[in-house]
Formats: sequence, structure tokens, C-alpha cells
Amino acid sequence: DTAVSQTPKYLVTQMGNDKSIKCEQNLGHDTMYWYKQDSKKFLKIMFSYNNKELIINETVPNRFSPKSPDKAHLNLHINSLELGDSAVYFCASSQVSQNTDTQYFGPGTRLTVL
Amino acid sequence: RKEVEQDPGPFNVPEGATVAFNCTYSNSASQSFFWYRQDCRKEPKLLMSVYSSGNEDGRFTAQLNRASQYISLLIRDSKLSDSATYLCVVNTPYNYGQNFVFGPGTRLSVLP
Repeated sequence: DTAVSQTPKYLVTQMGNDKSIKCEQNLGHDTMYWYKQDSKKFLKIMFSYNNKELIINETVPNRFSPKSPDKAHLNLHINSLELGDSAVYFCASSQVSQNTDTQYFGPGTRLTVL
Repeated sequence: RKEVEQDPGPFNVPEGATVAFNCTYSNSASQSFFWYRQDCRKEPKLLMSVYSSGNEDGRFTAQLNRASQYISLLIRDSKLSDSATYLCVVNTPYNYGQNFVFGPGTRLSVLP
């Protein structure tokens, strides 16, 4: 059973398009995250959702909007895609508690904007 | 200063070598610390949590020095399969959640 799953695994699209990436976790965690890993391999947090509330929103363009229909899902919608959005996007989840705050990552979505 | 900094690497070592990675963090309110491993074109996976007293898991030993805000990872008897990028991760409480900050990673290549 996959703990954190993402779809699609690969996404190739033209500049200006709108696309979504889906993420689901079956671990019962209450916090989910989106990370961007660019060509330099630096992993940077984009969003964090805890109990359906946004609690971290780094300096991310408002073209990116996270949507969480329920605790097990955190989808990422991107409007007006730009060349610089090409990267690998990872979803992750964790449980907010003292002893078990390990993050579990999805397999990643490789986005290429042409 | 970046929140989490690591040895720039890459480290190229022969099989059987002992290799140590260093990491420093800037936020003294950070409460938990981890080493993750990321293979090429794969997601990061937890290698081990880092506890104040230091901890060991087989060939891997992690140390934490809160006073110096320094974390280390020691790998003994390196295997070819240890080749990967090692990410230092620091968790700082933020409002009602957590803020996991990843270091830039240190790449390790274990050579036959």
C-alpha cells in the first residue's frame, strides 16, 4: 500500500496552461505539505495544511493554490504556467505530535513547462 | 545566513571508508532533527531521527549539539548502496503546525 501517492508522475505542458497535481495520504496524518525541488536539487517548502487550514505559505506566486477537500488530500493547482515552474513537486504528510513528526513523501511529480 | 547549511560535497569515498557529514542550523527554537536520504530521481526518505543523546542505527551514527546548533551523521564501512544525497532536516514549531526546513544536501558517491 502506498502511504503518500501523487498523480500524475510526469506532466509536460505548454506555457500559459493551467494544471493540477493530486496528492493523497492513507496514514491518517493531520498535516500535508507541498515542496518544490528545482534543477539545483534544493527542496523548498511551498505550502503546509493542518486540519484544512493553511499554516505556512512561503513566498510562492499566487498562481499556485493548494486545495484540500479533506484531511487525506492536498491538491496543487497552478495557473498560467511559466518556464520557471519546471521542477519536481513533492507532496508529504506528517503527524503533529511530540514523538512522531516524521515526514513521509510521495514519489514526486516531474513538471516540464515548454 | 541560511536556516540549514550542510557540507557542500560531493564526497567520493572508497567502499569500506568512514565518512562524516556536518550540518548547522540557525533557529535555536528548533525542536527535532532528522537525516533524510534521497536517491537520484526519487523522493526523500527518512534515514534516522537525531536525538540529544546521540543515536546509532547499524553503521549510521547521528549526533546533535544544541549549544552549537550542529548535527552530524557518521557512516562507517561505506557500501556502494550508500551512494545518495543526504539531507539534514530541522523542524521548528510554527503556529499550530511544524516547519520542516531542508538543507541543500550533501552528495555521497561510494566507489568500488
